[in-house]
Amino acid sequence: KNEVEQSPQNLTAQEGEFITINCSYSVGISALHWLQQHPGGGIVSLFMLSSGKKKHGRLIATINIQEKHSSLHITASHPRDSAVYICAVSFNQFYFGTGTSLTVIP
Amino acid sequence: NAGVTQTPKFQVLKTGQSMTLQCAQDMNHNSMYWYRQDPGMGLRLIYYSASEGTTDKGEVPNGYNVSRLNKREFSLRLESAAPSQTSVYFCAIRGDYEVRILETQYFGPGTRLLVL
Repeated sequence: KNEVEQSPQNLTAQEGEFITINCSYSVGISALHWLQQHPGGGIVSLFMLSSGKKKHGRLIATINIQEKHSSLHITASHPRDSAVYICAVSFNQFYFGTGTSLTVIP
Repeated sequence: NAGVTQTPKFQVLKTGQSMTLQCAQDMNHNSMYWYRQDPGMGLRLIYYSASEGTTDKGEVPNGYNVSRLNKREFSLRLESAAPSQTSVYFCAIRGDYEVRILETQYFGPGTRLLVL
């Protein structure tokens, strides 16, 4: 069973395109997290949110608690955005999605 | 301020060999975690430690042992490595649950383990 489902699994975009990655979850949560895993393997936290919307630069994360759904948007995508984006939810422990592999082509 | 450090970065073992993966943090967080990451699967929790002196099993603990040596260090031991344990291992830390602003996890750089 997967507590966290992400879509799409793989995504290729042209530089400049608007990108959306979706995340649905089935458990009660205290927060939802978006993580970025670089090609070298390191994982960094992008957002932690429990309601509404957060914006950081070209990245926007939204969450709908009633629908148990979150989206990560990237505006004006750039090749350096190429990475795996992981959705995770937390309550007593963390549950992770399998990630969305994004490739942005120049 | 290194955050979370892991050693080694890469290791090759033969089946049956043992090894210990080390994790250390300088952020004074209570909770520490060991995950493994395999292709096509999300990060899976092996063991975690909510505080110094306590450890608990996660989703996939079989074949592993852990030790929370002190607040800073949390080690993962493979007593008899198997090819199924070939994976990338991540250590992570998290602040106190009661203080939500600290709920973000911070990850170490990972250890790539290959068991032949």
